[in-house]
Amino acid sequence: GAVVSQHPSRVICKSGTSVKIECRSLDFQATTMFWYRQFPKQSLMLMATSNEGSKATYEQGVEKDKFLINHASLTLSTLTVTSAHPEDSSFYICSAREGWTQYFGPGTRLLVL
Amino acid sequence: GQQLNQSPQSMFIQEGEDVSMNCTSSSIFNTWLWYKQDPGEGPVLLIALYKAGELTSNGRLTAQFGITRKDSFLNISASIPSDVGIYFCAGQNYGGATNKLIFGTGTLLAVQP
Repeated sequence: GAVVSQHPSRVICKSGTSVKIECRSLDFQATTMFWYRQFPKQSLMLMATSNEGSKATYEQGVEKDKFLINHASLTLSTLTVTSAHPEDSSFYICSAREGWTQYFGPGTRLLVL
Repeated sequence: GQQLNQSPQSMFIQEGEDVSMNCTSSSIFNTWLWYKQDPGEGPVLLIALYKAGELTSNGRLTAQFGITRKDSFLNISASIPSDVGIYFCAGQNYGGATNKLIFGTGTLLAVQP
């Protein structure tokens, strides 16, 4: 199946700093990528849909100025958590669409101190 | 956000037993997907279903797309310890207005050797 990578896998940062997470489709091109957030023992919650060459579409309740998304190429989308606070600590997972199917990255564990 | 009803919430079984879990929705989908998530990892696609009534197998796993397009089930035969994890169903209307994956609440599977 298609492969999606994420970097970094884990990051610890100080409150108030910004963190960038990269999502790459390794063996296919993805015009659409998705960013999810997952809290312990819960399902995945969609944050935003990232479209190559255009602005991302955010889900209700997700602050677009806090979670900046850039999808500059057909294989790369980035999520930047700006001015991170402890409540932003979570597991962030991206996915990329190939045809009718979505493939997920391995996730990024963010801890904000 | 919207979630699908997935049951059971958790299962604790003996190695070698068969497992069945299902997912129901109040709305119809044109695609059903089943994923498995290990702790600290992203979801891995197990089976994708694209047609109402479709029955698809992947090794010991079998999944069906309900004829009403509002439900799907996943069966695992002869379970083994490495089947442990959280199983998520997901529905989508590819090409539709929303075009997003809607996830189930997850089924935690524990297998006793």
